[in-house]
Amino acid sequence: DTGVSQDPRHKITKRGQNVTFRCDPISEHNRLYWYRQTLGQGPEFLTYFQNEAQLEKSRLLSDRFSAERPKGSFSTLEIQRTEQGDSAMYLCASSSRGPEGAFFGQGTRLTVV
Amino acid sequence: TQLLEQSPQFLSIQEGENLTVYCNSSSVFSSLQWYRQEPGEGPVLLVTVVTGGEVKKLKRLTFQFGDARKDSSLHITAAQPGDTGLYLCAVNRGTYKYIFGTGTRLKVLA
Repeated sequence: DTGVSQDPRHKITKRGQNVTFRCDPISEHNRLYWYRQTLGQGPEFLTYFQNEAQLEKSRLLSDRFSAERPKGSFSTLEIQRTEQGDSAMYLCASSSRGPEGAFFGQGTRLTVV
Repeated sequence: TQLLEQSPQFLSIQEGENLTVYCNSSSVFSSLQWYRQEPGEGPVLLVTVVTGGEVKKLKRLTFQFGDARKDSSLHITAAQPGDTGLYLCAVNRGTYKYIFGTGTRLKVLA
């Protein structure tokens, strides 16, 4: 297993377009997280899945954002009607039960022009 | 207000120097993680500390969890340019979501 994988690494889109990102977690991890990070800041929590169930969503996740994790495997994060303020690094992480910490993918850099 | 405050925010030092960065909170945590992040990449997990007063070493990096489990420090001995990056502390909150600190941006000059 090569760790958490995210696709694409970079995405440039025009304002108003929809975008979708994919995350493949470490295979034995049942917990999956999405974070957003802007320049100079730490990652901000967006949403959390345990298996296929979305158990927690941040207030940062507006109605234009939706995340899924069908069958408890890979996850997708979709942003509809993108705005310039959505420009950020979107990070996916996974973990198993226990306190050992989360393992992050390399992120998807979104630029909305 | 931030749950985790990290200091200093920025640090620029010469190769070979020692440094310590801090992660502070008024809350008590069951565990705390340290990550390093390089530009354009995701954070990489360095260590998890669980027990109050615990000290863990990772080569030239020494991590300590405060006795009261409210704070932590990261000490780097003989820093190298490869240590350059953003150092983040994080804790579990609620249903195992991780909340991150403000970060310390370290630059080690050759």
